[in-house]
Amino acid sequence: DAGITQSPRYKITETGRQVTLMCHQTWSHSYMFWYRQDLGHGLRLIYYSAAADITDKGEVPDGYVVSRSKTENFPLTLESATRSQTSVYFCASSTGFSSNEQYFGPGTRLTVT
Amino acid sequence: AQSVAQPEDQVNVAEGNPLTVKCTYSVSGNPYLFWYVQYPNRGLQFLLKYITGDNLVKGSYGFEAEFNKSQTSFHLKKPSALVSDSALYFCAVREGSDQTGANNLFFGTGTRLTVIP
Repeated sequence: DAGITQSPRYKITETGRQVTLMCHQTWSHSYMFWYRQDLGHGLRLIYYSAAADITDKGEVPDGYVVSRSKTENFPLTLESATRSQTSVYFCASSTGFSSNEQYFGPGTRLTVT
Repeated sequence: AQSVAQPEDQVNVAEGNPLTVKCTYSVSGNPYLFWYVQYPNRGLQFLLKYITGDNLVKGSYGFEAEFNKSQTSFHLKKPSALVSDSALYFCAVREGSDQTGANNLFFGTGTRLTVIP
């Protein structure tokens, strides 16, 4: 049982390039989330999705695009990467009940040069 | 608005001593509170949560947390620290609801716990 996986685990890209981070979960959770983790900021929500084809902005959505055509996948795309997007990105999933915890993937460390 | 404060960036404790990692929160309604732990180069792992009921919540690896509504706090505790407890700890909150719906979590900035042998 893989749970929630992210790929790639490490990525180096250049400023201005498009890059897509993948997230896949095997639990059929309805909710999926993308966070970025930066020193001094903790985790900040980028986008989330309540179900397939339903997405919404979080706290820091600028410069990012998401899609969710299938329940199990939630890719995050940086359309034109900037150095300020250098970060560790975490995907998470949960059921629809607000009392339930979120389950996190292992993270993707992205460096934009 | 919902928010979480973890006032200590770093907590050091000797192995075998009790540990406390502090968390205070702000929500407009009833809070759902969570603690997560992050080991190096890993994702966050759920430790415990407070939803309702007993103010003392027990979780994984011998950790517990006490919900204090009057002080809006949810401090993480362990009676006897282990070196293996050294990690980054995050407190998180959302406004409680019986409904399904947006269950975004608001995270604190994290506290690095170091247990000294």
